[in-house]
Amino acid sequence: AAGVIQSPRHLIKEKRETATLKCYPIPRHDTVYWYQQGPGQDPQFLISFYEKMQSDKGSIPDRFSAQQFSDYHSELNMSSLELGDSALYFCASSFFELTVNRRGRYEQFFGPGTRLTVL
Amino acid sequence: KNEVEQSPQNLTAQEGEFITINCSYSVGISALHWLQQHPGGGIVSLFMLSSGKKKHGRLIATINIQEKHSSLHITASHPRDSAVYICAVRIQGAQKLVFGQGTRLTINP
Repeated sequence: AAGVIQSPRHLIKEKRETATLKCYPIPRHDTVYWYQQGPGQDPQFLISFYEKMQSDKGSIPDRFSAQQFSDYHSELNMSSLELGDSALYFCASSFFELTVNRRGRYEQFFGPGTRLTVL
Repeated sequence: KNEVEQSPQNLTAQEGEFITINCSYSVGISALHWLQQHPGGGIVSLFMLSSGKKKHGRLIATINIQEKHSSLHITASHPRDSAVYICAVRIQGAQKLVFGQGTRLTINP
């Protein structure tokens, strides 16, 4: 079965450079989530999109921006990179469906992550 | 205090042992996820629970909504089960997940 695809898998940048991370959700999934996991840290939510609109926002720095495109893939743009941005960036996708008891189901499926190293 | 707390933080056991990892949360949730993260970093979703119990192979997950507590059990543990197991909750009214700090499990042969 198709999974969430992230590219690139590894990225090395210098301080003050920019980086673009891409996420391709599972086909038919309409929601994309971005998470950041620093070394030894648990993942932290950055931002999410539903049907190409921002649906929730977490601890995303102003230097970062993201969008979801008409084919539902998403890009996370990171500018003026800092050493502290070095982390594993996960994308997850989900599809809203009503279960048999009419409750919403948002099971998230994770991509393999992009490991960003800022030197 | 974190909204999601896991215990233990580290667990080492021998192959074949029965493993239990606990997760407590302090907020209202609409679902709870158990995730597995291997040393390479990739995250795999094991279970999503909103009530009761689910079983998949040697893995069992339970949740008690009233007590705000969930457990992940591994029967007949194997060295390939060695990984970090993460509890994550979806807070009511939101879609994002809030993660626990993870439990590092090591199964020795």
